[in-house]
Amino acid sequence: DIQMTQSPSSLSASVGDRVTITCRASQSITKYLNWYQQKPGKAPKLLIYTASSLQSGVPSRFSGSGSGADFTLTISSLQPEDFATYYCQQSYNTPRTFGQGTKVEIK
Amino acid sequence: QVTLKESGPVLVKPTETLTLTCTVSGFSLSNAELGVSWIRQPPGKALEWLAHIFSSDEKSYSTSLRSRLTISKDTSKSQVVLTMTNMDPVDTATYYCARVPVRGLALDYWGQGTLVTVSS
Repeated sequence: DIQMTQSPSSLSASVGDRVTITCRASQSITKYLNWYQQKPGKAPKLLIYTASSLQSGVPSRFSGSGSGADFTLTISSLQPEDFATYYCQQSYNTPRTFGQGTKVEIK
Repeated sequence: QVTLKESGPVLVKPTETLTLTCTVSGFSLSNAELGVSWIRQPPGKALEWLAHIFSSDEKSYSTSLRSRLTISKDTSKSQVVLTMTNMDPVDTATYYCARVPVRGLALDYWGQGTLVTVSS
């Protein structure tokens, strides 16, 4: 199975900050990396697919980059509604696997 | 409007078999461009992918749970069913179903999830 490792596990940031979360795969997954946002008690929401494609309706302050085994999710200017947990997931092969999550908290 | 809704027991006993149903609307399970996945999340923990099924009846399972899982679909009822045998308290989790487009293979629409507790 492909292992997905996110860093950091948690971070504290202020409204307006630029936030970067990284995700590393245990092998190359080319571009097949997705990012999700999850708020407490809610289902995850797709933000980015195939590393850098913005899902319809997702604000443009979210962006994704990377290829191969190293990927990044960037929030250009953190908004109050962005405080949540973020997960990466590889869809390169089965079984699909998720990272352990990154919790973004208010500083 | 695409929706998915999970249904099944709230409480199961250890060693019992769990059967969960995902009822979809707004798309067809016969659509060659789409599939459905199951994902779970123990309280306070990370997401765990369990299985998926596509219109071709292609199926795939979690490596660690493969021996306990079965996924199937009833296209006429717009339902995808997941069974998990020999339930244990560590299987207590919120279980989600989600749609998977073949293009991109991300989980683009999710159900609200259903919490299943395993306890005697």
